[in-house]
Amino acid sequence: EPEVTQTPSHQVTQMGQEVILRCVPISNHLYFYWYRQILGQKVEFLVSFYNNEISEKSEIFDDQFSVERPDGSNFTLKIRSTKLEDSAMYFCASRRTGNTEAFFGQGTRLTVV
Amino acid sequence: SQQGEEDPQALSIQEGENATMNCSYKTSINNLQWYRQNSGRGLVHLILIRSNEREKHSGRLRVTLDTSKKSSSLLITASRAADTASYFCALRDNYGQNFVFGPGTRLSVLP
Repeated sequence: EPEVTQTPSHQVTQMGQEVILRCVPISNHLYFYWYRQILGQKVEFLVSFYNNEISEKSEIFDDQFSVERPDGSNFTLKIRSTKLEDSAMYFCASRRTGNTEAFFGQGTRLTVV
Repeated sequence: SQQGEEDPQALSIQEGENATMNCSYKTSINNLQWYRQNSGRGLVHLILIRSNEREKHSGRLRVTLDTSKKSSSLLITASRAADTASYFCALRDNYGQNFVFGPGTRLSVLP
């Protein structure tokens, strides 16, 4: 069964460093998402991406964040200068068009020290 | 975008019993999805119910949607210890493409 895959599963980075989180969405899906979950808290929307551009973003998704679909398969989230409060589980999701379900990857646990 | 509110926040039952979790929301939705999350793990999609649907089943799961009351429920029948997890509803409204998660219900099924 097709699934969303995320790499790495865990990343530790120094404060101020740039990180890139990678996702391979399901191949025939057209909408892509990033969400995050700070430990013990709720799942928060960051950004959605469709037709090679951002379709929606939340207040969390400030200038430190960017997304890219560099080729036909990968979807990346870059955090330019990480802060301690960026420590969280980051989830990628994808779905087809229309009124359809979104499937999530297993997440990348980002720890900023 | 609006957020769903699950209740209860936590639920503890014995194996074999049924578990019911509820999700309420405030404005019109396009669809509502239920997800399960085992501790520290990924979000597993369970069921999507569209605004024009009233009930859906998948194995031991039953989801209902009452748009007049702006609420949905997830019923897990004959629960197992392996059902122990957090359960979230995620709403997609009529205006955007993203979906908003509620705070979740933490279910504990005791053997």
